[in-house]
Amino acid sequence: NAGVTQTPKFQVLKTGQSMTLQCAQDMNHEYMSWYRQDPGMGLRLIHYSVGAGITDQGEVPNGYNVSRSTTEDFPLRLLSAAPSQTSVYFCASSYGLAGGGDTQYFGPGTRLTVL
Amino acid sequence: DAKTTQPTSMDCAEGRAANLPCNHSTISGNEYVYWYRQIHSQGPQYIIHGLKNNETNEMASLIITEDRKSSTLILPHATLRDTAVYYCIVLKRNNDMRFGAGTRLTVKP
Repeated sequence: NAGVTQTPKFQVLKTGQSMTLQCAQDMNHEYMSWYRQDPGMGLRLIHYSVGAGITDQGEVPNGYNVSRSTTEDFPLRLLSAAPSQTSVYFCASSYGLAGGGDTQYFGPGTRLTVL
Repeated sequence: DAKTTQPTSMDCAEGRAANLPCNHSTISGNEYVYWYRQIHSQGPQYIIHGLKNNETNEMASLIITEDRKSSTLILPHATLRDTAVYYCIVLKRNNDMRFGAGTRLTVKP
């Protein structure tokens, strides 16, 4: 198993550009999430999905869109990039609810810089 | 979800046990305690979790007090590769794992 994979590893955007961060998992997990981590801070939840076709907002959803057309993939779209979105983005997945005793597995991250 | 309090930083000598405390005094009966760590800027790595009983796996042990208001993560024989930020998270439902600032553990030779 490759686990949770993310592409690209690094990205530089100009203000106003759009792009999609890719996330895939091969563990047949139902639950997937996107987090951002700013320097010196913990992770903050952007969006999450409890299964194909179902998504919901997390703590900091503004400026981001998600969709979940398959169990394996959970892309994160930046509609119009802003310097405030400069961050490291992590995707995570779990078989069941982490709060129900299950475990979330994280990808290696995407480092995004918006100029 | 319950809030957690951890020391900002700790040091540990290589080969010794590292004991990382976490306070979660507002924890409720169905909330789990999770521990993750993050080495440099890699993705968080799962360590261990528990509900009421103490737990042990190949990486660490988790000791939860009887009143569940605090817990301790124990790395039995710390190595230099265990230097990382360790996060204690209390989670009731969904996947909204609110990572705080964590404890920066430095293992010294």
